[in-house]
Amino acid sequence: SQQGEEDPQALSIQEGENATMNCSYKTSINNLQWYRQNSGRGLVHLILIRSNEREKHSGRLRVTLDTSKKSSSLLITASRAADTASYFCATTTFSGSARQLTFGSGTQLTVLP
Amino acid sequence: DTGVSQDPRHKITKRGQNVTFRCDPISEHNRLYWYRQTLGQGPEFLTYFQNEAQLEKSRLLSDRFSAERPKGSFSTLEIQRTEQGDSAMYLCASTGDTRFYEQYFGPGTRLTVT
Repeated sequence: SQQGEEDPQALSIQEGENATMNCSYKTSINNLQWYRQNSGRGLVHLILIRSNEREKHSGRLRVTLDTSKKSSSLLITASRAADTASYFCATTTFSGSARQLTFGSGTQLTVLP
Repeated sequence: DTGVSQDPRHKITKRGQNVTFRCDPISEHNRLYWYRQTLGQGPEFLTYFQNEAQLEKSRLLSDRFSAERPKGSFSTLEIQRTEQGDSAMYLCASTGDTRFYEQYFGPGTRLTVT
């Protein structure tokens, strides 16, 4: 089952604009990650934020985490056409010894040139 | 290329046939995961290996599914008596003992059951 839900499901913006997508999750977490998936391809890890962190930056990416609301947001600044992809949040849950990722349903971002 | 590789990239099969997929993780990674992703959804966990031991299996992994990692390196996922509902992207990911939360994904095998 999906742990998280991304919002919006789809987002279309112009190149140069900022893109914000949100993720909500249900259970307590150790960390939350964001992954990108280009059409029909595998996922690429973008950024990880731990449960005791509130904000993290990596290049044009800014992630926030609000554990009281069980939500996270991913901001991509100065978007480029190459940022067009699906973005997933993923929480780490423990099943026995497995640190399995539980993904949300994703936000499809389209950046128009 | 030293990333995770999967073979084949695409597989079309008729209902009732058996299929087998292969995953080659990053060489120094001892942890390997299989996920299934259907259209418009995020990946869902199927199973986990640490070295050659299969330590966790999801309830999604029915009796028709079997996974192996015989020498702790590459892994195979076999689906017997395929059904149309098995049509999905099957993703493999690996990680090591450091930064183990960050999983490295392969390009996936897209299975279409007709």
